[in-house]
Amino acid sequence: GDSVTQMEGPVTLSEEAFLTINCTYTATGYPSLFWYVQYPGEGLQLLLKATKADDKGSNKGFEATYRKETTSFHLEKGSVQVSDSAVYFCALSNSGYSTLTFGKGTMLLVSP
Amino acid sequence: EAQVTQNPRYLITVTGKKLTVTCSQNMNHEYMSWYRQDPGLGLRQIYYSMNVEVTDKGDVPEGYKVSRKEKRNFPLILESPSPNQTSLYFCASSSQGANYGYTFGSGTRLTVV
Repeated sequence: GDSVTQMEGPVTLSEEAFLTINCTYTATGYPSLFWYVQYPGEGLQLLLKATKADDKGSNKGFEATYRKETTSFHLEKGSVQVSDSAVYFCALSNSGYSTLTFGKGTMLLVSP
Repeated sequence: EAQVTQNPRYLITVTGKKLTVTCSQNMNHEYMSWYRQDPGLGLRQIYYSMNVEVTDKGDVPEGYKVSRKEKRNFPLILESPSPNQTSLYFCASSSQGANYGYTFGSGTRLTVV
């Protein structure tokens, strides 16, 4: 079946550092790929998405490129802020319209 | 404000006492889904619904029931809760399905003792 693998956290960075959170997937066909963010005590929010190979999703300074040849969708940000501290989930949708398959999440901690 | 509202936010209950977690969305979305979030396991889908009276099992449906009598509501029912159902539960909805992204509620933290 489909699966998503993310790097384990926590990822600890200083403010203004460069961020990469790795995400790889296993799926048949052509899934849509997502990054969701969960701030403390809140639900998940869609951060960005990409629906086909070589698409780049971007939002709030975060970017991720759909790489079919490496089955990857790594999340990047050039300069993180303390307010970016959260748990980040990579996810895919493949089997119809109702199912999202999530990775286990990566906690990001940014210090001033 | 467009949102998915879950109630209650926190619930402590005893083994075997039936409970319902409500979920309501005000966006006229057709697709709704329930997930549970557990440490080290990420989010796993419990049930989903593609429209009124149309529901189907997700990855971990055992011990749960759902109903979709109205488009806006999608309650999660635990008929006989057990401690292994202690978890953080999220309801989500989408206008066009998971391929386009889900809007999530704020979560319900359930403890079964």
